[in-house]
Amino acid sequence: EIVMTQSPATLSVSPGERATLSCRASQSVSSNLAWYQQKPGQAPRLLIYGASTRATGNPSRFSGSGSGTEFTLTISSLQSEDFAVYYCQQYNNWPCSFGQGTKLEIK
Amino acid sequence: EVQLLESGGGLVQPGGSLRLSCAASRFRFSSHGMSWVRQAPGKGLEWVSGISGSGHITYYADSVKGRFTISRDNSKNMLYLQMNSLRAEDTAVYYCAKLGSGGYRAPSDYWGQGTLVTVSS
Repeated sequence: EIVMTQSPATLSVSPGERATLSCRASQSVSSNLAWYQQKPGQAPRLLIYGASTRATGNPSRFSGSGSGTEFTLTISSLQSEDFAVYYCQQYNNWPCSFGQGTKLEIK
Repeated sequence: EVQLLESGGGLVQPGGSLRLSCAASRFRFSSHGMSWVRQAPGKGLEWVSGISGSGHITYYADSVKGRFTISRDNSKNMLYLQMNSLRAEDTAVYYCAKLGSGGYRAPSDYWGQGTLVTVSS
């Protein structure tokens, strides 16, 4: 099973600033990496797939990069609605696996 | 808009069984893989099981292998998760999720709202 490791566990950023979240895979997952956003009491929402393709309806301030084992989610200018928990997921091999999440909180 | 509606959650004693259902609509159900993902209270996401569009390929997390069975009825647009020998650590919200295009190598592009399973005596 591929282990996904996210860092940091918690990230404190002020509105309007840039946030950078990291995700590492224990072995290559090519570009088969997705990012999800989850707000309290809600189901996860797909943000990015294929490591860098924004899912329909997501703002351009969200961007993803990386391939192989190292990936990054960048939020260019944080809005109030962006404070949430973010998960990466590899879907290159079943069983799929998620990272443990990064909580993005208001500084 | 794609709709996924889970049902079947509830309180069950350790060692008991439960069957979750997910009613899918507004997309070509048989053309997409599906998965179950769970989230224990206050914890992160855990992928539980996946199934191909045809139903011929299934896969399970080690934590549920041998106890849970995923299945689908493409004639009814329904996804199921049969859960046996339930343990306290299976307590979670269970989400049904649709896989995008691309066979099993696809992200979960739509999610249901989840159904809570509580395993306790």
